[in-house]
Amino acid sequence: EVRLVESGGGRIKPGASLRLSCAAFGFTFKNAWMHWVRQAPGKGPEWVARIKSRIDGGTIDYAAPVIGRFSITRDDSQNRLTLQMNNLETEDTGVYYCILGRYEFEFWGRGTLVTVSS
Amino acid sequence: SYDLTQPPSVSVSPGQTATITCSGVKLVDKYACWYQQKPGQPPVLVISQHTERPSGIPARFSGSTSENTATLTISGTQAIDEADYYCQAWDSSTSSYVFGTGTKVTVL
Repeated sequence: EVRLVESGGGRIKPGASLRLSCAAFGFTFKNAWMHWVRQAPGKGPEWVARIKSRIDGGTIDYAAPVIGRFSITRDDSQNRLTLQMNNLETEDTGVYYCILGRYEFEFWGRGTLVTVSS
Repeated sequence: SYDLTQPPSVSVSPGQTATITCSGVKLVDKYACWYQQKPGQPPVLVISQHTERPSGIPARFSGSTSENTATLTISGTQAIDEADYYCQAWDSSTSSYVFGTGTKVTVL
């Protein structure tokens, strides 16, 4: 059974940094394309970043609002995905989901809440 | 940026057919798919690659795509289908993933 478990969320002030983590279970992580998607309160989902599998080149892409501030990485030896978020803004507030999928988001974690507020 | 537009709301009577549209330029070329989201839960993929139903998704959910419009059809709608629905596509020109504006389905 596929399981994705996010952690690392919390309440922080604008300009601060936060590191999210996702532990993956039940599939061959090293072959998977992985994403972060966020959802602000009362809004629809918004894709944040994707990292391809190493065998597919490990290519990384980001949504425009987070370029230069967020960094997605993977540790295939630990079956772990991370999202380093720097210089956070109030608009970054939301639930952050770790997701398995290629061109669609097949399996979602339960998410971790990030609140950016002064 | 690439945009996907959905109607804000759709109302349907139990047992009837709900139709939700998603409009985007050349959507037929962009791996359109659909998600269902209920309050307090993450979205669930209900249609992938325009027409495919993932394992465990009831047969009353179906999808289709024409040139610029993807359609999610719920046949024989049940009360448990009341939820928000989002379309999503992959835009190869920008290597980005885009969600639609979302449609709230109410079963009256």
